[in-house]
Amino acid sequence: DGGITQSPKYLFRKEGQNVTLSCEQNLNHDAMYWYRQDPGQGLRLIYYSQIVNDFQKGDIAEGYSVSREKKESFPLTVTSAQKNPTAFYLCASSVLARSETQYFGPGTRLLVL
Amino acid sequence: GENVEQHPSTLSVQEGDSAVIKCTYSDSASNYFPWYKQELGKGPQLIIDIRSNVGEKKDQRIAVTLNKTAKHFSLHITETQPEDSAVYFCADPMDTGRRALTFGSGTRLQVQP
Repeated sequence: DGGITQSPKYLFRKEGQNVTLSCEQNLNHDAMYWYRQDPGQGLRLIYYSQIVNDFQKGDIAEGYSVSREKKESFPLTVTSAQKNPTAFYLCASSVLARSETQYFGPGTRLLVL
Repeated sequence: GENVEQHPSTLSVQEGDSAVIKCTYSDSASNYFPWYKQELGKGPQLIIDIRSNVGEKKDQRIAVTLNKTAKHFSLHITETQPEDSAVYFCADPMDTGRRALTFGSGTRLQVQP
């Protein structure tokens, strides 16, 4: 079954803790993306990667970090510097960046204890 | 996506009626216009897209029209059904040097049975 998987579905973070959200795709896509969605809001781009070992900041990168060591994996770390991390996090991928269809994972809901 | 304006933010229709959602973009070089549907608690799913070399594309009850002169594209859903109730997003590649789509703010469609 081809697609994008995200884990966990729900994640709880304690104050001052770093947490990592997983995103894996077996679509052989080059580009991958992370978005944040707040209740009743649109999608805001956190980071994106066009190719392995390369990534760029999106509109709201502060307090987040990523890595792209493998083509199929693009994990997102929410650091303690992100003061308001409660949101729905969506990972996506596309064959190429920009003018190509993005396929989304099921999302991870992050809550702060 | 402040350069992708989407209207309306909410739309309520009776079952069987038509629904139209409109997005306006700013970059004349934009050439790819997708529409996504997001159900509650899930990731967005592509429902239809159009390239700039055509003016209209239809897939059963869903259609997208593109007006390049006015720089807007619209999603049309005919014979609406309760399962069409969801949040719909448009997106635009935008020529900002950033190789990622920019999403509209979303339209919450409610189909009343």
